[in-house]
Amino acid sequence: DTAVSQTPKYLVTQMGNDKSIKCEQNLGHDTMYWYKQDSKKFLKIMFSYNNKELIINETVPNRFSPKSPDKAHLNLHINSLELGDSAVYFCASSQDPAWETQYFGPGTRLLVL
Amino acid sequence: GQQVMQIPQYQHVQEGEDFTTYCNSSTTLSNIQWYKQRPGGHPVFLIQLVKSGEVKKQKRLTFQFGEAKKNSSLHITATQTTDVGTYFCAARYGNKLVFGAGTILRVKS
Repeated sequence: DTAVSQTPKYLVTQMGNDKSIKCEQNLGHDTMYWYKQDSKKFLKIMFSYNNKELIINETVPNRFSPKSPDKAHLNLHINSLELGDSAVYFCASSQDPAWETQYFGPGTRLLVL
Repeated sequence: GQQVMQIPQYQHVQEGEDFTTYCNSSTTLSNIQWYKQRPGGHPVFLIQLVKSGEVKKQKRLTFQFGEAKKNSSLHITATQTTDVGTYFCAARYGNKLVFGAGTILRVKS
C-alpha cells in the first residue's frame, strides 16, 4: 500500500490554464505539506496543514491555493499557470507538526508550455 | 530566511571510492535529518541526529553531528552504483523543516 500518493504523476499544460494536484496519505498523520522542487533540485516548503488547518504559508503567489478537505487529503490548485511554475511538486506528511520524519509522495512533474 | 548550507553541489566518484557531503548552519540546531532522493524519485528519510557529537552508522553510511550542533556530515564508504542520487540534509527552524540544496552523487562503474 502506498503511504503518500499523488495524482497526477505528470502534468503538461499551457500557460494560463488552471490545474489541480491531489494528495492522499494513509499513515494516519495529522500534518501534510506541499513542497516545490525546481530544476536545480532545490526543495522548498510551500504550505503545511495540521488537521485541516493551515499552519505554514510561505511566500507563494496567491495563484496557488491549497485545500484540505480532511486530514488525510491535501490538494493544490494553481490558477493562471506560468512558465516558472514548471517544477516537481511533492506532497509529504508527518505525524504532527513537531514530528521530525516526513514521508514524501512520488511527486507531480508539472511542465507549463 | 534561515538556511542550511550544503556542499558540494555535485560529486562524481569512481565506484569503490568514498563520498562525503557536509551541511553547516550559522545557528545551533536542535537536530538534523538526512534524506536521499534517487533519480526520478522522491526524498526518503535516512536518519535523524539529535545529540552533540552524535555518530550513527547505517551499513556503509556514517552520519555525524558536530559538537556545537551547527554542522553535520554524511560519509559513504566504498560507493556503489546503488548510491547514486541526491542527498539532502534538513534542519528545523521554527515550525519549518528547511532543506539544504542537496549534493548530487554520481558513481562511475
